[in-house]
Amino acid sequence: DAGVIQSPRHEVTEMGQEVTLRCKPISGHDYLFWYRQTMMRGLELLIYFNNNVPIDDSGMPEDRFSAKMPNASFSTLKIQPSEPRDSAVYFCASSLGAGGVTDTQYFGPGTRLTVL
Amino acid sequence: KNEVEQSPQNLTAQEGEFITINCSYSVGISALHWLQQHPGGGIVSLFMLSSGKKKHGRLIATINIQEKHSSLHITASHPRDSAVYICAVRDGATNKLIFGTGTLLAVQP
Repeated sequence: DAGVIQSPRHEVTEMGQEVTLRCKPISGHDYLFWYRQTMMRGLELLIYFNNNVPIDDSGMPEDRFSAKMPNASFSTLKIQPSEPRDSAVYFCASSLGAGGVTDTQYFGPGTRLTVL
Repeated sequence: KNEVEQSPQNLTAQEGEFITINCSYSVGISALHWLQQHPGGGIVSLFMLSSGKKKHGRLIATINIQEKHSSLHITASHPRDSAVYICAVRDGATNKLIFGTGTLLAVQP
């Protein structure tokens, strides 16, 4: 398997623009997680899905952020409008389970977002 | 106070040294993870444990549930071990992963 795939790897945009980050989880994994990593706050869970259904979005910072998972092999994280404080590395991860012995999370390479 | 605290924040070692990174947490957990983040940014899950000790190659992870403490040990350290090591706990009540701020390890040849 190719692992978790994220695109783009780097994104530079201007404040106010819409940004869409994409993730393809490992085939067969039922859970998908979106994380954000900044120097100030480290890694933070934004939202996670189970079988394409959002389970917990309490980490989503505000209404400008939205995430969807239209099918088992694709998820998007959208920021509209983007702001400079959204600059961070966004990681997608997937796992077989979310609480048991099979729940090792496999991380994608991340998308480095810079909002000017 | 952070729910997950790691120490030290930065660590420099000479090749061959035995290294210990500590993680303390304040919430009830169902599992604890150790992750490795390489300078290029990629994150790799090293261990998931809920009790006792696990070993993989030169890496050993231990956890003491009563003391709410875990350690990651690296034996015979090598420059390729240079990375950020992140402790994360799964909150037993919410099932969410809570991350420590990481320990930056530099192993010099």
